[in-house]
Amino acid sequence: AQSVTQPDIHITVSEGASLELRCNYSYGATPYLFWYVQSPGQGLQLLLKYFSGDTLVQGIKGFEAEFKRSQSSFNLRKPSVHWSDAAEYFCAVGYTDKLIFGTGTRLQVFP
Amino acid sequence: GAGVSQSPSNKVTEKGKDVELRCDPISGHTALYWYRQSLGQGLEFLIYFQGNSAPDKSGLPSDRFSAERTGGSVSTLTIQRTQQEDSAVYLCASSGEETGTTNTGELFFGEGSRLTVL
Repeated sequence: AQSVTQPDIHITVSEGASLELRCNYSYGATPYLFWYVQSPGQGLQLLLKYFSGDTLVQGIKGFEAEFKRSQSSFNLRKPSVHWSDAAEYFCAVGYTDKLIFGTGTRLQVFP
Repeated sequence: GAGVSQSPSNKVTEKGKDVELRCDPISGHTALYWYRQSLGQGLEFLIYFQGNSAPDKSGLPSDRFSAERTGGSVSTLTIQRTQQEDSAVYLCASSGEETGTTNTGELFFGEGSRLTVL
């Protein structure tokens, strides 16, 4: 069955440090992959998406993600985290016209 | 409005009562989705409407849950005989494109309706 796993429930980093959020998927075909962010009191916002082609995709707010088929992963990265990045991050895979989401990773940023 | 609008933003109800949650999608978007967000559970797909096609109800957890979309626009999610385990944030999203395996698109989410069942 199609599924998305985000192994880290909660991550804490210092402002200015680099960040990597892990995402693994289970899907039989070429996946369509997404990262969404949910800031406190706000709706989910698309950060970036992968359809095909270049496996390194750039998104908004300085985020990027790399698709690795051999590892079934789509990890989200940012070289230098800002306090405003504190939020919950969701990875998702597109499946038959809907998105299957992971359980999310909550990011906390210390000054 | 410019975005997806959901109402009410908060709803407290007693166990056994029926509730209705409303979603007003972005004008012109053909696809509408309902998801449920529970603590530690991520986003759980409930139901999907696409144009005039039959909805994909595969995510509805029980027959107490139903949804309709009138005139291809506004949608109402109804939960009958609410239970405490129904407490969650119910999120609505709309899209102007196919998502998933055929084409892909971005889902635009509302801020959700928080349901608390006492």
